[in-house]
Amino acid sequence: DAGITQSPRHKVTETGTPVTLRCHQTENHRYMYWYRQDPGHGLRLIHYSYGVKDTDKGEVSDGYSVSRSKTEDFLLTLESATSSQTSVYFCAISRDFSGANVLTFGAGSRLTVL
Amino acid sequence: AQSVTQLGSHVSVSEGALVLLRCNYSSSVPPYLFWYVQYPNQGLQLLLKYTSAATLVKGINGFEAEFKKSETSFHLTKPSAHMSDAAEYFCAVSATGNQFYFGTGTSLTVIP
Repeated sequence: DAGITQSPRHKVTETGTPVTLRCHQTENHRYMYWYRQDPGHGLRLIHYSYGVKDTDKGEVSDGYSVSRSKTEDFLLTLESATSSQTSVYFCAISRDFSGANVLTFGAGSRLTVL
Repeated sequence: AQSVTQLGSHVSVSEGALVLLRCNYSSSVPPYLFWYVQYPNQGLQLLLKYTSAATLVKGINGFEAEFKKSETSFHLTKPSAHMSDAAEYFCAVSATGNQFYFGTGTSLTVIP
């Protein structure tokens, strides 16, 4: 997993509660990403970061916010979780591999919102 | 705009048979293209990538893919399926090198 740690790996919460997922990398990569994976939808980009305090929205950013105060940590926050946010969340970093940027993924965080 | 379409959400092949997983892309600029594999309860692993060098790209575990600009396709093949190939496969496109868009995935079943 190339030094990418996601926490928690599993979480069950109730509708309306805030949730924060953490992604930690040990290799000092500039770009970090949060994706969600849902059956029939593949992976969809939520937010990404291109440096400390530099973030941008992806295709499914509504209901999510992110923060990156240190190069190694990228946090995904659900301000008020809804059942539609039940999903598996993957963090990824972009790194050069033989002349092209490729994504390397963490092991995923499974979130269930009741 | 960039997008990827994977034809066939489920593909079944017999062990030893040819594997063909289809991917068509849309990109306004010459793209980078990727195939990733996901085994159950794991993250995604890079199988192979196309970066405008050779159009036929070889990856890990005997997989390869051919970039065909005229057909806007990047289909994944393997001559002989093995039981261990059973997994979910994702095609992805990147035009900028820093934003990546994925298809909806193809689940491969290998029948003994």
